[in-house]
Amino acid sequence: QQPVQSPQAVILREGEDAVINCSSSKALYSVHWYRQKHGEAPVFLMILLKGGEQKGHDKISASFNEKKQQSSLYLTASQLSYSGTYFCGTGTTSGTYKYIFGTGTRLKVLA
Amino acid sequence: ETGVTQTPRHLVMGMTNKKSLKCEQHLGHNAMYWYKQSAKKPLELMFVYNFKEQTENNSVPSRFSPECPNSSHLFLHLHTLQPEDSALYLCASSQVTENTEAFFGQGTRLTVV
Repeated sequence: QQPVQSPQAVILREGEDAVINCSSSKALYSVHWYRQKHGEAPVFLMILLKGGEQKGHDKISASFNEKKQQSSLYLTASQLSYSGTYFCGTGTTSGTYKYIFGTGTRLKVLA
Repeated sequence: ETGVTQTPRHLVMGMTNKKSLKCEQHLGHNAMYWYKQSAKKPLELMFVYNFKEQTENNSVPSRFSPECPNSSHLFLHLHTLQPEDSALYLCASSQVTENTEAFFGQGTRLTVV
């Protein structure tokens, strides 16, 4: 089952903040975040390996609540370059290692 | 460039045609994946290969036939497809180790007419 992301879409003005949530019905061993720009391949942003872990670089950060089986991606002071579709991905370790991606969140930043 | 190359980038095929999609990675990875991306299901896992062995078939119809001759190459053979198979097909690779990132190719935009 795919993790569910919310919101499905969001429009921001430059400089505004956004939060994208990812919820799974199954236990999460790790959470990955990717961004895909239109017509391009998804690109890795960060991975969170432990419950409660928070990571970030530049003005994009993420948290991982293992108990709630949730992760959130925080975009601060958004820039035009942040536009794209964001996917959370869960790594599973049941036999075969594979990536199951969330439903996606389309983010558009306007000038 | 992510180190994963897919060809062709665009493909139009009739329902009776046979075609193949190719994926190549030079990252030294030993796991490769096929994903289907459409408006209805954003990133749907199709197949997983670990060390050239297929380890996952996510209930994919038999008109899609994967092949992994070595750890660097992955193919998706297509035959008698349906219009609803039109989508972006993405290949990815990674190490077969827990919690490492996946690298994606730019995809093949497939249109079935």
